[in-house]
Amino acid sequence: DIQLTQSPSFLSASVGDRVTITCRASQGISSYLVWYQQKPGKAPKLLIYAASTLQSGVPSRFSGSESGTEFTLTISSLQPEDFATYYCQQLNSSPLTFGGGTKVEMK
Amino acid sequence: QVQLVQSGAEVKKPGASVKVSCKASGYTFTNFDINWVRQATGQGLEWMGWMNPNSGNTGYAQKFQGRVTMTRSTSISTAYMELSSLRSEDTAVYYCARLIAATGKVDYWGQGTLVTVSS
Repeated sequence: DIQLTQSPSFLSASVGDRVTITCRASQGISSYLVWYQQKPGKAPKLLIYAASTLQSGVPSRFSGSESGTEFTLTISSLQPEDFATYYCQQLNSSPLTFGGGTKVEMK
Repeated sequence: QVQLVQSGAEVKKPGASVKVSCKASGYTFTNFDINWVRQATGQGLEWMGWMNPNSGNTGYAQKFQGRVTMTRSTSISTAYMELSSLRSEDTAVYYCARLIAATGKVDYWGQGTLVTVSS
């Protein structure tokens, strides 16, 4: 199984901060990586797919990148509505594993 | 618009089974896979398996092999996930989600179904 190691697990930040979350795969997954945002009591919301493609309707302050087996989600300027938990998931091969999540909290 | 609407909350006793439904609308149901994901309270997301609504083919996470069955009814555009031999650790919110394999994205999710396993 492909393991996804997501870091950090928790992140304290302020509005306007640049935030970076990393997801490292245990083996190559091509670009089959997605990023989700989840708020309490809600289903995950797709932000980024194919490692770097912004889902329709998602603000452009969100971006994704990849370098080998390391994937990064960046929020260029954190907004109040961005305080949430973020997950990565690989869609390269079954089981379609998730990262452990990153909770972004207000500093 | 695309929607996945799941059945309501369930309370089950240990050892029982639960069947959660996921009704799709706004697109051709048989064109895209359905994934099932669960989340225990305060925990992360856990992938359970997938189903191709066109062929009925399925793939399950090893952890759930032998306990989970994913089926569908194409006439009513509905996917089902049945989990048997329930134990307290299965208490979680269960989600269905649409997977577009060609572009590698899971773009629409159901609202979630809380399954509580308690004696």
